[in-house]
Amino acid sequence: SQQGEEDPQALSIQEGENATMNCSYKTSINNLQWYRQNSGRGLVHLILIRSNEREKHSGRLRVTLDTSKKSSSLLITASRAADTASYFCAPLGGSNYKLTFGKGTLLTVNP
Amino acid sequence: KAGVTQTPRYLIKTRGQQVTLSCSPISGHRSVSWYQQTPGQGLQFLFEYFSETQRNKGNFPGRFSGRQFSNSRSEMNVSTLELGDSALYLCASSPLGGVPNNEQFFGPGTRLTVL
Repeated sequence: SQQGEEDPQALSIQEGENATMNCSYKTSINNLQWYRQNSGRGLVHLILIRSNEREKHSGRLRVTLDTSKKSSSLLITASRAADTASYFCAPLGGSNYKLTFGKGTLLTVNP
Repeated sequence: KAGVTQTPRYLIKTRGQQVTLSCSPISGHRSVSWYQQTPGQGLQFLFEYFSETQRNKGNFPGRFSGRQFSNSRSEMNVSTLELGDSALYLCASSPLGGVPNNEQFFGPGTRLTVL
């Protein structure tokens, strides 16, 4: 199975600002999932975007997927201190049976 | 619905001992996967169970084993513990077919420390 590569590795912003992180992958996918992990709430699924979708929204989250470029982006709008966490993408193809994470993007939202 | 629960949350063992960790998936979920997470290796897949059968297995030695019961609850066992087994062990449940078409719901994890 393949893993995504998140970029940047670290991002520090002020509360209220938007945060954008990117994910690149190598082979074709069925869907791509984003997860967040922090010490308070553990590892949490954020959003799943299928390969035939280009954009998806969930609350303050907006995910885009460009299969031609094999890339995805996660936008968090109006960030809050509670958004401080590591964010991981997981690109998944038809034969995948496991999640494989890269190093993630460490987002720090300063109050 | 209650989330995925894992017990115990924290565990301290010494080398050579064995340990059993437990995971209760979300009601109705039939797929349970186990992962080991360490700072150096990141998230690594251990195995997946579906309807009491091990469906997939990662690259871990035979000291790591698991099982799933008819109510979908799962246990994993590590025998002859080594220092390198110190990690956060995460259980994830998923409805029906699991990865790749479904999101994984993770438990809070069991923090195992081997002294």
